[in-house]
Amino acid sequence: AQSVTQLGSHVSVSEGALVLLRCNYSSSVPPYLFWYVQYPNQGLQLLLKYTTGATLVKGINGFEAEFKKSETSFHLTKPSAHMSDAAEYFCAVSDGANRDDKIIFGKGTRLHILP
Amino acid sequence: ETGVTQSPTHLIKTRGQQVTLRCSSQSGHNTVSWYQQALGQGPQFIFQYYREEENGRGNFPPRFSGLQFPNYSSELNVNALELDDSALYLCASSLNAGANVLTFGAGSRLTVL
Repeated sequence: AQSVTQLGSHVSVSEGALVLLRCNYSSSVPPYLFWYVQYPNQGLQLLLKYTTGATLVKGINGFEAEFKKSETSFHLTKPSAHMSDAAEYFCAVSDGANRDDKIIFGKGTRLHILP
Repeated sequence: ETGVTQSPTHLIKTRGQQVTLRCSSQSGHNTVSWYQQALGQGPQFIFQYYREEENGRGNFPPRFSGLQFPNYSSELNVNALELDDSALYLCASSLNAGANVLTFGAGSRLTVL
């Protein structure tokens, strides 16, 4: 069964600094990987996804993530943090596009932006 | 294009009671997944409905049950509520079953006293 581990339940960065949120996954087959963001009192919103092809994936709001099979990682980055990036971020994995596959989420990382 | 809407947004119940949560899927989507998000945790998969049939279930007891209607809206029912059932319940719709992109509603926050 697939699983996701997010390193660090809380991450703080200064405004304008690099954002790096770490995610490692476990999957028995080539995975589909996702990052979702959750703002207070809202549902989850898709930031980006990797299915096949190019391993560097660009998403909304300037975020990107790189799939590294050898490291079983899918870390999320943004070159310059903005105050509006403060939110909870969830990494998620599934085993592909088969009908019975479900998306499994990590426990989340809360990103704090320091002025 | 309307998104996913959930009702009620907040509710309070007592132990042993029953609750029904409702979800209207995004227009054009035929699949609904339900997740439980406890405070400080990631969403946990409860079950999924695809074209009115259950299509997979997570590690939740039978007192968690659901329905999907011909218009693809869905209900989550929880019987014999326990304190640990207190959580944000998220509904997500998608176009077809499988690991497609999920569109989430804002959730229903259930408090069990």
